[in-house]
Amino acid sequence: DQQVKQNSPSLSVQEGRISILNCDYTNSMFDYFLWYKKYPAEGPTFLISISSIKDKNEDGRFTVFLNKSAKHLSLHIVPSQPGDSAVYFCAAIRRNSGGYQKVTFGIGTKLQVIP
Amino acid sequence: DTGVSQDPRHKITKRGQNVTFRCDPISEHNRLYWYRQTLGQGPEFLTYFQNEAQLEKSRLLSDRFSAERPKGSFSTLEIQRTEQGDSAMYLCASSLLAHTGTGELFFGEGSRLTVL
Repeated sequence: DQQVKQNSPSLSVQEGRISILNCDYTNSMFDYFLWYKKYPAEGPTFLISISSIKDKNEDGRFTVFLNKSAKHLSLHIVPSQPGDSAVYFCAAIRRNSGGYQKVTFGIGTKLQVIP
Repeated sequence: DTGVSQDPRHKITKRGQNVTFRCDPISEHNRLYWYRQTLGQGPEFLTYFQNEAQLEKSRLLSDRFSAERPKGSFSTLEIQRTEQGDSAMYLCASSLLAHTGTGELFFGEGSRLTVL
C-alpha cells in the first residue's frame, strides 16, 4: 500500500531554472510532510517540512506547497543549482497519543540539474 | 562527528549466514529507527524504538530479523539465515521526541548488505 507516491522517477532541469518535484498521498491522517535529499552512498538528509495545517513553507531556495483537498504537495527549488542534483524523497508522518510515528517515504525522484 | 553511525558500511555474505548491523544514534536521541532501501525504492520502515522499548515492527520484519536496543543507546539488527532477497541498504535513523514537531529523522550512511 503506497501511501506516499512520487510518480516521476526523474527530472532534468537547466541550471538557474525552477525545479518542481511532485508528491501525492492517500492517507488524510498525516500530520506533517517532509522532503529528504539523498546523494549516492549517503543517508537521506532532511530538507524541509510542512505541517498539514499550512499550505506553504519556504526556506531559502526551497518552498513546499501543500494542497490538502487534492492530497498533493510539491517542492519548488529556485534557482536550481548543479549541487541540487540528487534523489528527493517525499515523506509523511502521523501523530497519535504516543507521539510521532514512523515516517513513510515515497520512492523518490532523481533530479539532475544541467549546468 | 556526532551524527548517526552505522557499522559495517558494507557486508558481503553467503546465503544462509547470519549478519548483524550496529547503529549508534545521536547521543541525546531517544528514538531509533531501522529502514531498508532497495534499488529504485524509497526507504521502507522496519522497526523503531523509543529508548529500549520496541514500539512497532513492520510485517516486512520476518522471523529471521531481530532488532534490539538493550540500554536505549546503540541498536543492533540481526538477520539470520540470509537470503538473496535480503540484499539491500539498511538505514538507521534517530530523532529526539521533543523535536518531532517536524518529524525530522537523522539518518546514518547505511549498511549495504550483499547476499551471494
